[in-house]
Amino acid sequence: GENVEQHPSTLSVQEGDSAVIKCTYSDSASNYFPWYKQELGKRPQLIIDIRSNVGEKKDQRIAVTLNKTAKHFSLHITETQPEDSAVYFCAATAFSGGYQKVTFGTGTKLQVIP
Amino acid sequence: GAGVSQSPSNKVTEKGKDVELRCDPISGHTALYWYRQSLGQGLEFLIYFQGNSAPDKSGLPSDRFSAERTGGSVSTLTIQRTQQEDSAVYLCASSLGLAGTQYFGPGTRLLVL
Repeated sequence: GENVEQHPSTLSVQEGDSAVIKCTYSDSASNYFPWYKQELGKRPQLIIDIRSNVGEKKDQRIAVTLNKTAKHFSLHITETQPEDSAVYFCAATAFSGGYQKVTFGTGTKLQVIP
Repeated sequence: GAGVSQSPSNKVTEKGKDVELRCDPISGHTALYWYRQSLGQGLEFLIYFQGNSAPDKSGLPSDRFSAERTGGSVSTLTIQRTQQEDSAVYLCASSLGLAGTQYFGPGTRLLVL
């Protein structure tokens, strides 16, 4: 089955600096990679996603890159702000014969220090 | 429209009792997912429905767990003979179709004493 590894588990950055979170996956059939942000006590919310036919996607201060050959994808947050502090989860979704399998990473706790 | 809703928001039960958790997906969303999140941990995928069908039940932790969906809408997750290790937040999500954006509900916090 799919195995998704996420690093680092915790990350502290100064406000204004960039943050990078990396995930690797094992199943070459995975072709959809969403990123979720979960603030303390709240539900996960999608912040950006990328499909396997695209190498990079950007939305304001957030970008995601995908390297299918190496089976890794990364979340980049630029000009971090205190409200970016949260736990971030990556996920890899594989579709096979009408079946779907979604596997989440273990999460990265990001702390932005004012 | 309304987002994904779940009930109850909190549930305290005694070990050995059965519990039923409910999820109301966004109207029109054909795919529905159940996850479990233990305190400070990641998301554990349990099961998903495409329509009323659950193609893969291998994520359910044990045979005490079951789920059903009727009418392509509401889903219930049932845990029989609850154990203390079942204590967690149970999250439901729905999407317009497979590979669509998943929208999460607020979760049900289950505490088994």
